[in-house]
Formats: sequence, C-alpha cells, structure tokens
Amino acid sequence: SQQGEEDPQALSIQEGENATMNCSYKTSINNLQWYRQNSGRGLVHLILIRSNEREKHSGRLRVTLDTSKKSSSLLITASRAADTASYFCATGGGSQGNLIFGKGTKLSVKP
Amino acid sequence: DAMVIQNPRYQVTQFGKPVTLSCSQTLNHNVMYWYQQKSSQAPKLLFHYYDKDFNNEADTPDNFQSRRPNTSFCFLDIRSPGLGDAAMYLCATSSNVGNQPQHFGDGTRLSIL
Repeated sequence: SQQGEEDPQALSIQEGENATMNCSYKTSINNLQWYRQNSGRGLVHLILIRSNEREKHSGRLRVTLDTSKKSSSLLITASRAADTASYFCATGGGSQGNLIFGKGTKLSVKP
Repeated sequence: DAMVIQNPRYQVTQFGKPVTLSCSQTLNHNVMYWYQQKSSQAPKLLFHYYDKDFNNEADTPDNFQSRRPNTSFCFLDIRSPGLGDAAMYLCATSSNVGNQPQHFGDGTRLSIL
C-alpha cells in the first residue's frame, strides 16, 4: 500500500534556484523521512522530522511537516547540478512500523 | 567508513536459473532489509531480519528467500527468476525496527535473459 505520495513527479530547474517537493501521506506517523537517490545508486538518508516538529533544517535543506494536513515539504535552496537525483519521502506505515516509500520526485538541476 | 556493501553491482542470469545476491554491513546494525525497486518506482520491501528473526512481507512471492548467517551478512535468493524479477535490489540496515533511518547499499541490478 502506498503511504507517501510525492509531488511533482518531475521537476527541472536552473542551478541557483530553489526546489520544493511535497509529500502527502495517509495514516498517523511518528516521523517522516526524506531520502535522495542518485541514478543507479542506493538511497541516502537526508533528514528525519518527528511528528511533534513543524520545521527542520540541515544545510541547504529545509523540511516542514503539517500533521493536520498529513503533508510535508522538502525545500532545497540555491540548488546545484549535484542535487540532480530522485527524492523520496518515507513514513512508518508498513508492517512493524517499517518504512513505506513514496514514488519520488525526479529533480533535474541544469548548470 | 561504516557502510553497506552489495555484490555484485550487476548480475545477469537466465530465466529460471537460481541466483543469489549478497549484502554485508560494518555498522553492526540489528536489522537488515531487502527491497526491490523497478524503474521509476518506489523501493518495495520484500522482507527484513531483526537479528535472526525473519519477517516476510505478506505480498512477497515465495520465489524470494533470504538468509542471514551472522550479523554482518544477508543474502537474497531468487529460486526461479522470471522476467518480471528484473529490477534493482537494495539492501539496507537500521539499528532497530520501526521507522528508523536506514542505511542503503548501492544495490544490485539484476537482468534476466
């Protein structure tokens, strides 16, 4: 079953611009996580935001969480070509609370 | 550096010929996961081990099996690969079960001839 759904499915921007990706989920959560996946590679954990947090920062990343709307957003500021990747949100909606990943947003940053 | 290593990176097998994918970790994590990821799709959890306890997802086909001989190693066995099993297989670890941050290997891309 799909827990997280990212929006948009694909995003193309110029280097230096900001990129915003959104995630919606269905059930109550303890936390929500964002991962990055470069083409042909594994996923890399970026940031975890707990259900009692509304905003979290890590370097150029800013994550918000609105539990009333069951949604989260990931903002990448001053994007670089190296940020080109797929970005997935994940929540613990699986068996034993295991993560279920959304379909991801494919970000392309053009130099 | 502590990490999750998958071998091989690319595996080609024939239709119906058993294949084994391997994963090792130096993180000493209790939990190891196997995911299947098809092109432009989300990773789909196949099963996980919490220490030696095996936990199969309800919709994982019987064709897929796993072994974890010790903390560091975990194997994915596909007994009779079909064309639909061509995918990227990702191994991941976490310190505990539940929605903990996971550390992924770079995957094995499996092709079926």
